[in-house]
Amino acid sequence: AQTVTQSQPEMSVQEAETVTLSCTYDTSENNYYLFWYKQPPSRQMILVIRQEAYKQQNATENRFSVNFQKAAKSFSLKISDSQLGDTAMYFCAFMKPQGDDKIIFGKGTRLHILP
Amino acid sequence: GAVVSQHPSRVICKSGTSVKIECRSLDFQATTMFWYRQFPKQSLMLMATSNEGSKATYEQGVEKDKFLINHASLTLSTLTVTSAHPEDSSFYICSARDPTDDGYTFGSGTRLTVV
Repeated sequence: AQTVTQSQPEMSVQEAETVTLSCTYDTSENNYYLFWYKQPPSRQMILVIRQEAYKQQNATENRFSVNFQKAAKSFSLKISDSQLGDTAMYFCAFMKPQGDDKIIFGKGTRLHILP
Repeated sequence: GAVVSQHPSRVICKSGTSVKIECRSLDFQATTMFWYRQFPKQSLMLMATSNEGSKATYEQGVEKDKFLINHASLTLSTLTVTSAHPEDSSFYICSARDPTDDGYTFGSGTRLTVV
């Protein structure tokens, strides 16, 4: 069974700084998707970034980028020039396509951006 | 972008009664929908996978008879909590998969309080 591990329960950084959230996963699959989701206080789940395992290039979305290390099964999220609105829970997630298609979430990292 | 509407956002019901939560994909056909439960400050726990026109697949430990799931159309899935008890109080979130791009969109969640 696939597992997703986020080893940082909580982090705090100053506004405008760069922060990296860690995520490791365990799978025997070769083809899969990895995600980072943001859950602000409103509790709406928002997709931050998605990475297909077959792509070697790391995904980026504006200030958000990932460091995908397939062999190490690591998928960290870097937030550059952090903003107060980035304060939220961040969940790393895994999905195996063309199978049960269900998303498996890590336990989350609570990120506080300090003014 | 894809939108998933979830209603109600909040509901309070008396112990022993049933409550229905709806999840609709507004601008795409969702062949698969997922129901999650989230306890305070915890991650999303998958309860069941709902496929249009067939029976839902429940995760281990989830009571099928208590959490009834119906996916009668490609745009609507419902979760009915039957004979609710205070321990069923939680935040319930649905997610719908768009098969055209493997995208997953989440509803805004339902906070259920059983008194």
